[in-house]
Amino acid sequence: NAGVTQTPKFQVLKTGQSMTLQCAQDMNHNSMYWYRQDPGMGLRLIYYSASEGTTDKGEVPNGYNVSRLNKREFSLRLESAAPSQTSVYFCASSVWAHSPLHFGNGTRLTVT
Amino acid sequence: DQQVKQNSPSLSVQEGRISILNCDYTNSMFDYFLWYKKYPAEGPTFLISISSIKDKNEDGRFTVFLNKSAKHLSLHIVPSQPGDSAVYFCAASVYLNYGGSQGNLIFGKGTKLSVKP
Repeated sequence: NAGVTQTPKFQVLKTGQSMTLQCAQDMNHNSMYWYRQDPGMGLRLIYYSASEGTTDKGEVPNGYNVSRLNKREFSLRLESAAPSQTSVYFCASSVWAHSPLHFGNGTRLTVT
Repeated sequence: DQQVKQNSPSLSVQEGRISILNCDYTNSMFDYFLWYKKYPAEGPTFLISISSIKDKNEDGRFTVFLNKSAKHLSLHIVPSQPGDSAVYFCAASVYLNYGGSQGNLIFGKGTKLSVKP
């Protein structure tokens, strides 16, 4: 079982460049999430999608956009990357809104 | 202002002994609590949860205790094994907020547990 798959695993961007982080889950989960983790910090929610066709802002949405492409896929886009967006990004999914999250293995992003 | 606090950044325990990881929260509206374990270069994995209607939940070697009056929960691992060495995150949410979504799941900063053989 693949679970939650994130691509790419690593990425280096220059300030101002754009990129999209991809996430797909094969567990037929309804809800999907994007978190970032910075050194010495817990995970902070960027955006989430409670169900297909809906997206909502989390704690730290500025500088990001998301697309819930279908039930399986939830992408995170950085339109103009900034050094402050250097972080490890985790995608997660859950069966329904209040069940435990299943995380992918993360994308390590560096913005220079 | 942190709503979920894990005040011990690290904890070292001997194999076979009990590991106790602590978590405090400030928001009295939180009613669902979870623990996640994270190994390096991997995503967090769900360990155990507890609803505010309970004060204890057990799953094998892992037990979570909730003290609502003190706004405190703890994770006990008995007996501790070297494979338990990881970072443990406490998380909390309000069930009914955002229409029941986990959009408001708040994580602590984590405690790194080292279990020595």
